[in-house]
Amino acid sequence: KQEVTQIPAALSVPEGENLVLNCSFTDSAIYNLQWFRQDPGKGLTSLLLIQSSQREQTSGRLNASLDKSSGRSTLYIAASQPGDSATYLCAVPHQTGANNLFFGTGTRLTVIP
Amino acid sequence: ETGVTQSPTHLIKTRGQQVTLRCSSQSGHNTVSWYQQALGQGPQFIFQYYREEENGRGNFPPRFSGLQFPNYSSELNVNALELDDSALYLCASSQRRGGNTGELFFGEGSRLTVL
Repeated sequence: KQEVTQIPAALSVPEGENLVLNCSFTDSAIYNLQWFRQDPGKGLTSLLLIQSSQREQTSGRLNASLDKSSGRSTLYIAASQPGDSATYLCAVPHQTGANNLFFGTGTRLTVIP
Repeated sequence: ETGVTQSPTHLIKTRGQQVTLRCSSQSGHNTVSWYQQALGQGPQFIFQYYREEENGRGNFPPRFSGLQFPNYSSELNVNALELDDSALYLCASSQRRGGNTGELFFGEGSRLTVL
C-alpha cells in the first residue's frame, strides 16, 4: 500500500525567506504527483501537477520537483509571503491511473511578517 | 467556468441519523471523487464515480454510499452516523481521459459534526 510522508510537519519562517517542503512516497509506480494548498477549515487548492515523465513544474514563485526512482518530491517556495501561510499537501495516485489519491498529512507553514 | 461547489458547508447530526452531502462538479468534468478528512490528517479516499457508476472504493463501510447524476453532480450518503464520522468531506472533480483520472480540483468541503 502506498504511504506518503511529509516533513516537516510544521514550519515557521520569516517573510522573504526561500523554503523547501518535502514529500516522500513508498511505491514509485506513480502516474503523477500533485501539490495542494489548504487554508484552515477550507478545501484543497491545486498548486502543481507533475507527470511521472517530468522532473519539475513551475508556477510563479512555486517550483515542484519529482524524483520517481527515489520516491521524493520537493516544493520550493521563493520569497515567502504571509499569504503563503497554509497547510501544503502532496498526493499521488497509483501508476495504473487508479482513481484514488494517497495524501500525506501535510506541512503547516507559517510565514511571519 | 464554475468550480466545484459543495453543500451544505456545515451541519450537525446526532448518532444514528443519516446525512446527504451534495457536490456539483467543475464544468467539463466527468468524474467525481469523495474524500474524508479528519482533523489534522490528510484526506482519505471514500469512492469515485464515473459515468454514474462507482469506479473504485476506499476502506469505508457500506453505510457510505453515493450517486452520480447525468449532469455529473454527485451525492454522498452516510447512514447510521457514528461519532468518528465527524470530519470535513471533500468532493473533487476531474476529467478522466483513458484510464487516468487526471488533475483533481476540490470543493470547499462540508464540515460534518456528529454528536
